[in-house]
Amino acid sequence: DQQVKQNSPSLSVQEGRISILNCDYTNSMFDYFLWYKKYPAEGPTFLISISSIKDKNEDGRFTVFLNKSAKHLSLHIVPSQPGDSAVYFCAASDTGRRALTFGSGTRLQVQP
Amino acid sequence: NAGVMQNPRHLVRRRGQEARLRCSPMKGHSHVYWYRQLPEEGLKFMVYLQKENIIDESGMPKERFSAEFPKEGPSILRIQQVVRGDSAAYFCASSLRTGSNQPQHFGDGTRLSIL
Repeated sequence: DQQVKQNSPSLSVQEGRISILNCDYTNSMFDYFLWYKKYPAEGPTFLISISSIKDKNEDGRFTVFLNKSAKHLSLHIVPSQPGDSAVYFCAASDTGRRALTFGSGTRLQVQP
Repeated sequence: NAGVMQNPRHLVRRRGQEARLRCSPMKGHSHVYWYRQLPEEGLKFMVYLQKENIIDESGMPKERFSAEFPKEGPSILRIQQVVRGDSAAYFCASSLRTGSNQPQHFGDGTRLSIL
């Protein structure tokens, strides 16, 4: 039972354009959501998070949007840079448990 | 480097041997989590510990796996009598003591290979 789903295994965008990565969840108890970036042979690097009391959080080029009614969140990267090429994981947790539930990841490739 | 430190980075074991994976959390962090990643999959939660206490081990296999986070020293994930299916990347993460909505910060993992 996949409680966090990233339905696009890969995404390719041109440098300078917007990258939009999507994530859906099924567990209505989730109230904290995070995005991580991962390079090969390294651990996930925390990018940005959002709690369920908000619908948007922004940090530099990264913005996360949360639509609770649709159980959907997205990560926008503007403008995309070649160094953003990596696998992006969506993760979620609920207040009662700190364990993160991860999606299967989306591989982003930013073309120069 | 004040990040989460894991060692060894690579570990090779033969079937039936024991594997010990170590994790030192970020300075000031007293919550430690272990995750496992199989090829082409996302990370799967295994166990959550605070100093000297296991808080949530709902993701740990019932046999052969154990974890500890002693008062002094790193957290240890121990796998006894390893089998081929234990081959994976094992990641440790840590978070701050206070606040429920604190991001977890990950180490670079230990890649375990079973011959």
